[in-house]
Amino acid sequence: GENVEQHPSTLSVQEGDSAVIKCTYSDSASNYFPWYKQELGKRPQLIIDIRSNVGEKKDQRIAVTLNKTAKHFSLHITETQPEDSAVYFCAAIDDYKLSFGAGTTVTVRA
Amino acid sequence: GAGVSQTPSNKVTEKGKYVELRCDPISGHTALYWYRQSLGQGPEFLIYFQGTGAADDSGLPNDRFFAVRPEGSVSTLKIQRTERGDSAVYLCASSPGGGFEKLFFGSGTQLSVL
Repeated sequence: GENVEQHPSTLSVQEGDSAVIKCTYSDSASNYFPWYKQELGKRPQLIIDIRSNVGEKKDQRIAVTLNKTAKHFSLHITETQPEDSAVYFCAAIDDYKLSFGAGTTVTVRA
Repeated sequence: GAGVSQTPSNKVTEKGKYVELRCDPISGHTALYWYRQSLGQGPEFLIYFQGTGAADDSGLPNDRFFAVRPEGSVSTLKIQRTERGDSAVYLCASSPGGGFEKLFFGSGTQLSVL
């Protein structure tokens, strides 16, 4: 099955700076990579996703890049704001189900 | 409904008891997933339904765990002879169909086994 590793486990950034979270996956057949944001006590919510036929996707202040050869993908958040503070999970599709990384706790310092 | 609904939001039980957790997916969504999330961890896959049938139950940890979806909509996750290690947040998610479509998660049931 798929094994997804995520780094770092915690990330503290100054408001306005960028945050980068990196994930690797093991199954070269995986072709869908979503990112979820989970605020404390809330449900995970999809913030951006990418399919294997593209290398980068942007949506306002967030972007995801994918390197299929190296089997890694990254989330980039620019101009961070306090409301970006949350736990972020990467995931990879594994035979119709998602396998998740362990999460990154992002804290944006005002 | 507007989103995936899970009940109860919190469940406290004693070791050895039986519990049922309910998930009401978004209307029309044929795919339904159960995940378990322990503190500080990512969601861990348990079981996937396509319609009424369990297409993949490879994530169920042992035979104390069972899930049903008799009419292809509401699903119930059943845990027999609960153990303290079963304590976690149980998340349900649905998507419009099979494959790699966007998952919409419920708010979860926090299960505490004392």
